[in-house]
Amino acid sequence: KAGVTQTPRYLIKTRGQQVTLSCSPISGHRSVSWYQQTPGQGLQFLFEYFSETQRNKGNFPGRFSGRQFSNSRSEMNVSTLELGDSALYLCASSLANLGDGYTFGSGTRLTVV
Amino acid sequence: EDQVTQSPEALRLQEGESSSLNCSYTVSGLRGLFWYRQDPGKGPEFLFTLYSAGEEKEKERLKATLTKKESFLHITAPKPEDSATYLCAVGGGRRALTFGSGTRLQVQP
Repeated sequence: KAGVTQTPRYLIKTRGQQVTLSCSPISGHRSVSWYQQTPGQGLQFLFEYFSETQRNKGNFPGRFSGRQFSNSRSEMNVSTLELGDSALYLCASSLANLGDGYTFGSGTRLTVV
Repeated sequence: EDQVTQSPEALRLQEGESSSLNCSYTVSGLRGLFWYRQDPGKGPEFLFTLYSAGEEKEKERLKATLTKKESFLHITAPKPEDSATYLCAVGGGRRALTFGSGTRLQVQP
């Protein structure tokens, strides 16, 4: 069965621009979560969507936003990019609840120059 | 606030040399303790979920155990292909995973 698909795999953007990342969860999975991974901070939770509603949010500024569509696909958007936003952005899907376990995608490597 | 501390930061083993990785945690309302393996440039790959103290799970050369304060990932007779970063995470009351910083394991032939 297909895993979690994230596009694009790599992205280079300039400071001040905005970016949209996409995530297609495993078929049947209704929960999609986003994480940022950096060498200094490790994996940090951004937000979680379930049935098109944001169910939980981490401690990131409002420049980071997301949404989920009726087919469970999700997008995250970062506006006014800063150099510190350079990171691996990971999407994870699960059936419904945290205890179901997450399956991660391969991530989108964002570089801000 | 949920917290996860993993040790050691890095571990180098010879092929066949068994060892254990540690994950200490504090969490309000444990919903699960998760172990993942991450290879360079890839997303974390799910290994195990443990839900209550005393629980153990095994998969090939890996065995995960859980107490009320920590979890261990035991690696028996490792092979070079076991080289990766092993991540521990807890799911708690805030409905999100809190990850540790990981243990980088290198197994030399």
